Amino acid sequence: GESVGLHLPTLSVQEGDNSIINCAYSNSASDYFIWYKQESGKGPQFIIDIRSNMDKRQGQRVTVLLNKTVKHLSLQIAATQPGDSAVYFCAENGGYIPTFGRGTSLIVHP
Amino acid sequence: GAGVSQSPRYKVAKRGQDVALRCDPISGHVSLFWYQQALGQGPEFLTYFQNEAQLDKSGLPSDRFFAERPEGSVSTLKIQRTQQEDSAVYLCASSLRSDTEAFFGQGTRLTVV
Repeated sequence: GESVGLHLPTLSVQEGDNSIINCAYSNSASDYFIWYKQESGKGPQFIIDIRSNMDKRQGQRVTVLLNKTVKHLSLQIAATQPGDSAVYFCAENGGYIPTFGRGTSLIVHP
Repeated sequence: GAGVSQSPRYKVAKRGQDVALRCDPISGHVSLFWYQQALGQGPEFLTYFQNEAQLDKSGLPSDRFFAERPEGSVSTLKIQRTQQEDSAVYLCASSLRSDTEAFFGQGTRLTVV
């Protein structure tokens, strides 16, 4: 579950492992979902998106899975690299405004 | 430019001072969003423009916050009589349409002292 206060949920992995970051969304009317990566001092960077008529979408080293029944989204990163260390946000869009969760901090150990 | 550009990158304001934050979206992008991001939190929606029309300002925390996009391109977020709780990173994002991915700028870090 999510942490309170300033402590983000954190996932620590070894370089080369696969990472899975989870996200629960709240609006059943949301039909478009986006994963963003945010490095320290930078704005969120688009990674991959998925629409509600799909269950799975693959990109380069990343896969997003969508389970509309339980309103759950996951981001899988294959062969995680130190450069993947960042905070990852899922955003849901049920109309025109992307709405963000609190994020998960991914730490990749070399 | 190739991406969303925000200026200044950093702004230190004395409490009570007015500030103006600028956003240059990607050329041709119809939708423009402003978000506020506190430390350790996700971006929180402030306001949304479709071209020059401000269609949603429900996230603006008080009437001290004002945003405009008069010609449907560059946008300015103005904060009057800044207070310490206004300290945050202000992010601007633009998208081709409201249902496509939004691209973010680097943000402006505002510190009110």
